[in-house]
Order: sequence, then C-alpha cells, then structure tokens
Amino acid sequence: EAGVTQSPTHLIKTRGQQATLRCSPISGHTSVYWYQQALGLGLQFLLWYDEGEERNRGNFPPRFSGRQFPNYSSELNVNALELEDSALYLCASSSPWVGNQPQHFGDGTRLSIL
Amino acid sequence: AQSVAQPEDQVNVAEGNPLTVKCTYSVSGNPYLFWYVQYPNRGLQFLLKYITGDNLVKGSYGFEAEFNKSQTSFHLKKPSALVSDSALYFCAVRDGDYGQNFVFGPGTRLSVLP
Repeated sequence: EAGVTQSPTHLIKTRGQQATLRCSPISGHTSVYWYQQALGLGLQFLLWYDEGEERNRGNFPPRFSGRQFPNYSSELNVNALELEDSALYLCASSSPWVGNQPQHFGDGTRLSIL
Repeated sequence: AQSVAQPEDQVNVAEGNPLTVKCTYSVSGNPYLFWYVQYPNRGLQFLLKYITGDNLVKGSYGFEAEFNKSQTSFHLKKPSALVSDSALYFCAVRDGDYGQNFVFGPGTRLSVLP
C-alpha cells in the first residue's frame, strides 16, 4: 500500500511570494490534515479536510488556505509569504469515522523563505 | 477540550538501559491514545495505539506503552534502549468513538548515549 505522498520535497521562495504544497492520501482515506512544524519543534495544526470540505482550522491567518479534490488529494496554499513561514509542512491522512485508526504522515515539504 | 502533555522536553538514557517517555492526557470521552516517532527530516511514524482492553500495549521496534486511567497517563517504554532510538517522540489523543480531532503533545527528544 502506498503511503502518504507530498510534493515538492523542498521549496524555496522569497518574501511576498505564494507557495503551493500538495498531498496525496493513502488509498481509502478521505480525511487530510495539514500541520506546520518549525525547526525541531512541535506540530501546529493548520487545516483538516474531509470529503472535500474544510472541517476545522487552526489558529493561522487567512493567507493559509487549501482545498481537497474529488480524489481526496489536497493542496495547501500560503500567500504573501513571510520569513516566519519557513518550516516543515506535514500532511497526514486517516479514516475520520473510524476513531481508533491513527493518522498516517507523509515526509513533508520543507519550505524555506529567503 | 482535549489536551496532551509531555512533561519532559528531553530524555537521556544510556544504551541498554530501559527508557520511559511520559505522556498525560485530558479528554471528555473515551481516550484513543497514540505514540509516534519522528526521525530528522522525516514525517511522523506510527508506533502504537491504545483503544481498549489490556493496559499494556505492544508496538513497533520493541516499544510498549502503559495506559493508566486513574492517572490519565500513557507512558512509552522500552526495556533496552538502542542508539538508533534517538529521535523525537509525540503522544497524541483522539476523543471518543467519533472524535475527529487529533491533539498532539509538544514532543520529547530522546537521546540514547552509547
């Protein structure tokens, strides 16, 4: 079974630009979660999508947005990039209505803002 | 609201010695508890989960965790640590049979010294 895949692996941008990160969940998973992890620190919850709808959002400004496509893949968009947006962005997928199943993570996209 | 605490930022242990990484939680309903490990520049890998039943849960790579309802704890253990166990460990909780939100602890960095 293929795991969660994220692209690109690395992304370098400058301040003010826009970034798009992509995620493909495990087959059969309908929920996709996005997290931000600053260097060596904990996970900050960004967004949760299920069945194409945004279900929950973390404490991030509106310039962080995303969507989920009919095939359950997802993209995260970050507009007006700031230096503090430099981080590892992790995507996870799960079956939302089966509470005892864990989230499965991709290896992330390392976003660097110059 | 659900929450997870990992009281130690850093745990150091000598190779061959037993290790414990602590986690306490707070949920309204029945807790579903998870442990993950993260190696540098990688996503989180699922180690083990507690749903119901035996309080001692066995997982991957020789890890196990002990669920204690009265102390609301879910400590990760391993009888004999390896240098390769050095990594960042996260505890997570999902609330109830139909809880969708995963809440992650802040992480504990484990260093196993040769």
